[in-house]
Amino acid sequence: EVQLVESGGGLVQPGRSLRLSCAASGFTFDDYAMHWVRQPPGEGLEWVSTISWNSATIAYADSVRGRFTISRDNAKNSLYLQMNNLRAEDTALYYCAKGRPLLYDALDVWGHGTAVTVSS
Amino acid sequence: DIQMTQSPSSLSASVGDRVTITCRASQGIMNYLAWYQQKPGKVPKLLIYGATTLQSGVPSRFSGGGSGTDFTLTISSLQPEDVATYYCQKYISAPPTFGQGTKLEIK
Repeated sequence: EVQLVESGGGLVQPGRSLRLSCAASGFTFDDYAMHWVRQPPGEGLEWVSTISWNSATIAYADSVRGRFTISRDNAKNSLYLQMNNLRAEDTALYYCAKGRPLLYDALDVWGHGTAVTVSS
Repeated sequence: DIQMTQSPSSLSASVGDRVTITCRASQGIMNYLAWYQQKPGKVPKLLIYGATTLQSGVPSRFSGGGSGTDFTLTISSLQPEDVATYYCQKYISAPPTFGQGTKLEIK
């Protein structure tokens, strides 16, 4: 079964850091680009970041560029999101998602998300 | 950046109705358009990619249309289980922007 399981969310004070992880299984992880998408409470979906299969191409939303770092470890079938200098507006459910074959493609597998709350 | 605008933001329809949701891109995106369904409290689910291709396992009452800047998601006969928020997403290039969502309810 194809599966993505996020972890690492929690309550954090503004300005602090958090590292999210996503464990993949059931597919050849290093064949696909991977993505982070977030959803603030009661709001819509917002793309956060994309990393190509070999980490050669990385992209970020303007709202997180310079504060967040996406990475992956293909040997561990894992995706990460290092989030620094967190702000209240980063509060959201963070989803890890697998893309179809292109670097930028439709997202065909989603994890259940990990909740991040930034508050003092 | 290319902006994605969905309409309407919400709609209410009766079981059995034909429902159409529209997504407009601020620039041409060929057919690099996906549709997702997110039921209340659930994870988003891919319905359609390439503007018109139905994802495996998705009921055939869902269909996608359009190319360039104007796209549609149509439910041919609305079912109670279709209550959800629907999002379009363009993926021709970064940023792969989502539309703001269309909340679909049953009358």
